[in-house]
Amino acid sequence: EIVMTQSPATLSVSPGERATLSCRASQSVSSNLAWYQQKPGQAPRLLIYGASTRATGIPARFSGSGSGTEFTLTISSLQSEDFAVYYCQQYNNWPPLYTFGQGTKLEIK
Amino acid sequence: QVQLVESGGGLVKPGGSLRLSCAASGFTFSDYYMSWIRQAPGKGLEWVSYISSSGSTIYYADSVKGRFTISRDNAKNSLYLQMNSLRAEDTAVYYCARELYGDHPFDYWGQGTLVTVSS
Repeated sequence: EIVMTQSPATLSVSPGERATLSCRASQSVSSNLAWYQQKPGQAPRLLIYGASTRATGIPARFSGSGSGTEFTLTISSLQSEDFAVYYCQQYNNWPPLYTFGQGTKLEIK
Repeated sequence: QVQLVESGGGLVKPGGSLRLSCAASGFTFSDYYMSWIRQAPGKGLEWVSYISSSGSTIYYADSVKGRFTISRDNAKNSLYLQMNSLRAEDTAVYYCARELYGDHPFDYWGQGTLVTVSS
């Protein structure tokens, strides 16, 4: 099983600043990596897939990069609605298993 | 617009059974692969089960293999999860999710249904 490790567990950033979230895979997942945003009481929302492709309707301030085992989600200028928990997910080791990271909570500084 | 609406959650005793449903609308359900994903209270996301568009290919996480059964009825635009021999560790919000067409990430999720396994 591929283990996905996200860091940091919690990130405190001020509105308007840049946030950088990391995700590491225990073995290569090529570019088969997605990022999701989850707000309290809501379902996750797909932000990025293929490591760097924004999903439909996702603002340009969200960008993804990386391949292999190291990935980054960058939010260029934080808006109030961006404070949430972010998960990475690999879908390279398929079938039969998708795995998620444990999440990074992005909080207001 | 795409909608996924789960139902069937509730309180069940250990060893009991429950059947979850997910009603899909706003897209051609029979064209899409679907999955169930769960989230224990205060925890992260765990993929549970996958079913192909026709229902011919099915996969399960090891944690539920032999106890849970995924199925779909394309004529009714519905996805199901039959959960047997439930354990306390199955307590979670269960989401149905659609896979992005031609790829594997989950582009639409339902609002979730809570399953609580407790005596």
